[in-house]
Amino acid sequence: DIQMTQSPSSPSASVGDSVTITCRASQRISSSLNWYRQRPGKAPQLLIYSASTLQSGVPSRFSGSGSETDFTLTISSLQPEDFATYYCQQTYNIPYTFGQGTKLKI
Amino acid sequence: EVQLAESGGGLVQPGGSLRLSCVASGLTVSSNYMTWVRQAPGKGLEWVSVLHSSGTTYYADSVKGRFTISRDNFMNTLYLQMNSLTVEDTAVYYCAREWVAAAIDYWGQGSLVTVSS
Repeated sequence: DIQMTQSPSSPSASVGDSVTITCRASQRISSSLNWYRQRPGKAPQLLIYSASTLQSGVPSRFSGSGSETDFTLTISSLQPEDFATYYCQQTYNIPYTFGQGTKLKI
Repeated sequence: EVQLAESGGGLVQPGGSLRLSCVASGLTVSSNYMTWVRQAPGKGLEWVSVLHSSGTTYYADSVKGRFTISRDNFMNTLYLQMNSLTVEDTAVYYCAREWVAAAIDYWGQGSLVTVSS
């Protein structure tokens, strides 16, 4: 199985800040990488698919980049609703594995 | 508007069985790749299984041989039959739709399964 490792695990930031989350795959996965945000008690929400494509309806302050093994999610001008947990997911090979999560704290 | 509504969760003893249901509205289950993802309490997301529109199924190694994904086209419902449950299967189970690049764009609200004696 492909292992996905996110960093940092639990960064702190303030409203208006920018933050970057990194996801590393244990093998090359082309651009088969998705990003989700999960607020407490809620289902995850798709933010970015295919490494850099913004999902419809998602604010443009979210952006993704990377390919093969190294990927980043950048959130600019943090809003209160962005303080949540973020997951990357590879969809290159089944089983489609997730990273362990990055909990963004105020 | 797409809605996915899971049901069937609850408390079950180790070794027991449970069947989760996911009723879909706004999309046709048989025409989509439908998946189950679970999340143990306080933990991360774990992909469990997928059912392709062709009928092909795939499972995570952790559930292979114990869980079965299926659908009822008339009822527009996705199922997850879970047998030989262990405490490690305790989780919220989400029904979801895989879309472009197998990204999951629609999620249900989740159904809690607790395996405990």
